[in-house]
Amino acid sequence: ETGVTQSPTHLIKTRGQQVTLRCSSQSGHNTVSWYQQALGQGPQFIFQYYREEENGRGNFPPRFSGLQFPNYSSELNVNALELDDSALYLCASSSWTSGYNEQFFGPGTRLTVL
Amino acid sequence: GIQVEQSPPDLILQEGANSTLRCNFSDSVNNLQWFHQNPWGQLINLFYIPSGTKQNGRLSATTVATERYSLLYISSSQTTDSGVYFCAVEPGRGSTLGRLYFGRGTQLTVWP
Repeated sequence: ETGVTQSPTHLIKTRGQQVTLRCSSQSGHNTVSWYQQALGQGPQFIFQYYREEENGRGNFPPRFSGLQFPNYSSELNVNALELDDSALYLCASSSWTSGYNEQFFGPGTRLTVL
Repeated sequence: GIQVEQSPPDLILQEGANSTLRCNFSDSVNNLQWFHQNPWGQLINLFYIPSGTKQNGRLSATTVATERYSLLYISSSQTTDSGVYFCAVEPGRGSTLGRLYFGRGTQLTVWP
């Protein structure tokens, strides 16, 4: 069974640029959620994708957008990068079954905005 | 949204000691998970425990959903247990199914 993978591992961008982060869900999972973790904080929910549609969104501006593909992999896009976007970005995959929804996380992408 | 509070924020132990980490949450939950975040940032699943008690080796967890808290027990701690422990909950109502709300974590340091 293949776990959740993310790419790239690290990324350095400058303010105003755009970035795309990628996530492959665990085998058999159909739902991907994205989280942002600032230094010293717990992860914060950005949004979730299920069956290629956005299925819920946290308190993040529209310049954070995403996609899910037919193979359930996902992308997170951030436009007009700001310094505060520097963080660890985590994706989680899960597969809803009756009463069971355990989330499994990837290793993360560390984004630095200069 | 639901509030998740973890205590203590920091814990320093000598190898071999036992510890208890606590997670309080402010509303009913569908799901509660404990994670260990390693130094590279990956969240490692420890327990999926919306209610009841589970054990896995030196670790065990108990969730009392009616009283809105969960406890993570670490026995005979080892230096490799060091890191940040997070509790995360999925609210039972009024939120995206599967959305997790995290506490701020407990930073555990185990000295040899």
